[in-house]
Amino acid sequence: SQQGEEDPQALSIQEGENATMNCSYKTSINNLQWYRQNSGRGLVHLILIRSNEREKHSGRLRVTLDTSKKSSSLLITASRAADTASYFCATVLSGGYQKVTFGIGTKLQVIP
Amino acid sequence: AAGVIQSPRHLIKEKRETATLKCYPISRHDTVYWYQQGPGQDPQFLISFYEKMQSDKGSIPDRFSAQQFSDYHSELNMSSLELGDSALYFCASHRSRGRPGELFFGEGSRLTVL
Repeated sequence: SQQGEEDPQALSIQEGENATMNCSYKTSINNLQWYRQNSGRGLVHLILIRSNEREKHSGRLRVTLDTSKKSSSLLITASRAADTASYFCATVLSGGYQKVTFGIGTKLQVIP
Repeated sequence: AAGVIQSPRHLIKEKRETATLKCYPISRHDTVYWYQQGPGQDPQFLISFYEKMQSDKGSIPDRFSAQQFSDYHSELNMSSLELGDSALYFCASHRSRGRPGELFFGEGSRLTVL
């Protein structure tokens, strides 16, 4: 089944450093989304990139999408302790589907 | 504006019992999703509804059923509960107008089966 797989699964960095997380998927998509989840809380939508887009920015977030490689990356610049969370990519298949399928997630720890 | 409301937030049940989770989507959102998330796991898609009709089905056990009502709230019914059903259950809503986009999640209902 369609599923994003994040890489790495865990990442620990110092505050102020950049964090890069990668996501790969298997079939054609309509869009790819990134979400953040603080422990035991609901997921929060960060950014959506459509299949015809290559790069998107939102504040300290930069997302790239390479449909030829079926991969995406999320870059968080100038990380803060408050960025500590799990980050998931999620895909929506092309072809009129509504289902949003999540990958395994990257657990990011930002050390103050 | 109010977000997605889920109730109850915590639920403890015995094996073989039944549980019902409720979800109240954001006003004017026409699509509701249910996800199950075990400890340290990614959210697993269970089922979705678009305009009160089931739109997609994922890894939802036959013991579970769900529906969306005329006021757009949704309920997830779980019967013959098993220990493995212990998880966080999330509801998410979306105003799709036929186009898939970002989901807005509730804070989840934590089900513990003893």
